[in-house]
Amino acid sequence: KAGVTQTPRYLIKTRGQQVTLSCSPISGHRSVSWYQQTPGQGLQFLFEYFSETQRNKGNFPGRFSGRQFSNSRSEMNVSTLELGDSALYLCASSWSSNGPGNTIYFGEGSWLTVV
Amino acid sequence: DQQVKQNSPSLSVQEGRISILNCDYTNSMFDYFLWYKKYPAEGPTFLISISSIKDKNEDGRFTVFLNKSAKHLSLHIVPSQPGDSAVYFCAARLSGGSNYKLTFGKGTLLTVNP
Repeated sequence: KAGVTQTPRYLIKTRGQQVTLSCSPISGHRSVSWYQQTPGQGLQFLFEYFSETQRNKGNFPGRFSGRQFSNSRSEMNVSTLELGDSALYLCASSWSSNGPGNTIYFGEGSWLTVV
Repeated sequence: DQQVKQNSPSLSVQEGRISILNCDYTNSMFDYFLWYKKYPAEGPTFLISISSIKDKNEDGRFTVFLNKSAKHLSLHIVPSQPGDSAVYFCAARLSGGSNYKLTFGKGTLLTVNP
């Protein structure tokens, strides 16, 4: 079955602009989480959505937001972009709520460059 | 405050030998640990995990060891193959926490030389 799909794969934005990234989870998966990867900080959790509700949130400013649709697809939005937002944004999906050994599956990511 | 640390940014080993990747954590409330492997231009892929109630988990060439008293885990790859060359991330989950809110280390770049 198809994996986690993220679009766009690469994009360049200017400081002050806003960006929307999209994620389609694996079919049947209802949880979608987002991570930011930068060389200096590694992978950092942004937020997680389940059944259209945000269940968990990381330590990021309010400029970072997200949502999930009824078909489990998710979008994340970053407003008022800063140079430091340049990163690889990874989406991950999983089929259910918590449980030991429940694995999350990552997409290939969206590379955002802010100039 | 980095709660999951991978102190070696890179590691180079010869094909056929053992690769040992290390990870230290500071939060004693972590109860589940995972290793992910990441190739360039791809997302991380799950490799192996271990619950805090165990001290070893093995899957083929990959074995993860957990030393709770030292708050240390390691991933052993035996024998190492050139295709294992990738960045390896250690991740941890808080007890009672979400499977999706993982705390990652910064990764170790493993290079396996033919």
